[in-house]
Amino acid sequence: DAGVTQSPTHLIKTRGQQVTLRCSPKSGHDTVSWYQQALGQGPQFIFQYYEEEERQRGNFPDRFSGHQFPNYSSELNVNALLLGDSALYLCASTPAGKRSEQYFGPGTRLTVT
Amino acid sequence: GQSLEQPSEVTAVEGAIVQINCTYQTSGFYGLSWYQQHDGGAPTFLSYNALDGLEETGRFSSFLSRSDSYGYLLLQELQMKDSASYFCAVRGPLTGRRALTFGSGTRLQVQP
Repeated sequence: DAGVTQSPTHLIKTRGQQVTLRCSPKSGHDTVSWYQQALGQGPQFIFQYYEEEERQRGNFPDRFSGHQFPNYSSELNVNALLLGDSALYLCASTPAGKRSEQYFGPGTRLTVT
Repeated sequence: GQSLEQPSEVTAVEGAIVQINCTYQTSGFYGLSWYQQHDGGAPTFLSYNALDGLEETGRFSSFLSRSDSYGYLLLQELQMKDSASYFCAVRGPLTGRRALTFGSGTRLQVQP
């Protein structure tokens, strides 16, 4: 059983550009959450998708948007990249009917220059 | 809002016991989770407490006191591989029932 997968693993972008990150949840998981983790900090909640809709959103600007597909996979889009967007972006999936556990993917390391 | 406090660093020797404390403030509370993260790796789920008391999973135990807004993670028989960052996290109204607010993490260094 494959775990949560994310692509790409590393990405370098220039300030002002746009980026799309991808996530495939574990089999049997229907909810995907995205987090941003700066170096030396805990993950910060960006938003969460369930049934192809954004259900909850953290304190992030509208430059951050997402999508969930019918197969439960998800994308995170960031527009007008800033240097401060450089971070590890983590995707986590939650089993259907079990809210207490989240399973994280390996993350995408985004560097904005 | 939601906020969590935990020590930034803890050092212990192999074979010892270490306790990592976490205090939280939240306007609503569904449960306290603990995650382990090795350098360059993804956070890994360790434990979850929704009710007061102690939960034990092998060498790791987690405790919650909802009246004190406090919990801790207890690691016994420390091994070198336990060197990692440990995060407490709460589920609450700001993130909904299925997402988490994390603390800043406690870096545990296990020495020989």
